[in-house]
Amino acid sequence: GENVEQHPSTLSVQEGDSAVIKCTYSDSASNYFPWYKQELGKRPQLIIDIRSNVGEKKDQRIAVTLNKTAKHFSLHITETQPEDSAVYFCAASRGRDTGRRALTFGSGTRLQVQP
Amino acid sequence: GAVVSQHPSRVICKSGTSVKIECRSLDFQATTMFWYRQFPKKSLMLMATSNEGSKATYEQGVEKDKFLINHASLTLSTLTVTSAHPEDSSFYICSARDQIGGVASPLHFGNGTRLTVT
Repeated sequence: GENVEQHPSTLSVQEGDSAVIKCTYSDSASNYFPWYKQELGKRPQLIIDIRSNVGEKKDQRIAVTLNKTAKHFSLHITETQPEDSAVYFCAASRGRDTGRRALTFGSGTRLQVQP
Repeated sequence: GAVVSQHPSRVICKSGTSVKIECRSLDFQATTMFWYRQFPKKSLMLMATSNEGSKATYEQGVEKDKFLINHASLTLSTLTVTSAHPEDSSFYICSARDQIGGVASPLHFGNGTRLTVT
């Protein structure tokens, strides 16, 4: 099955700096890569996603890049703010009908933005 | 946007009792729902895939007789933790995707259920 590895496990940055979280996946057939933000005791919230036919996607301060050849994808947060502090999870799934495919999650990155 | 409702949010039960957790898609239909388990400061681990009108698909190592899943309609899946033990204490969270949207639909999560078995 799919295996998703995520690094780093913790990341501390100063407010205004950029943060980068990286993930690798094992299944070359995976074609959907979302990123979730989870605050303590709350549900994961989708913040951005990318599909395998796209190399990069950006939404305001958040961007995701995908390298299919190397099987890795990254989350980039620019101009970080204290409210960005949370645990971030990458995930991957495959299949044409991804409605029936579960996500495999990375181990998570605890991001702390120091004011 | 799509909403997944999960109930209860917290439950405390005694060892040996059973607990039922409900997961509802409020404004969309889902033939498939997913149940995850999350230990403190850990990732979400897929337990099983709930299929409307058929048997659930369990991940390796998850006991199907202990974690009973029923997907009776296109908007409701239930997870019953039978004969709960303290080691079953965890955060259980369900998720679903709008079946009409398919590939284009993101996965939405319920608020989760924190189960504590005493």
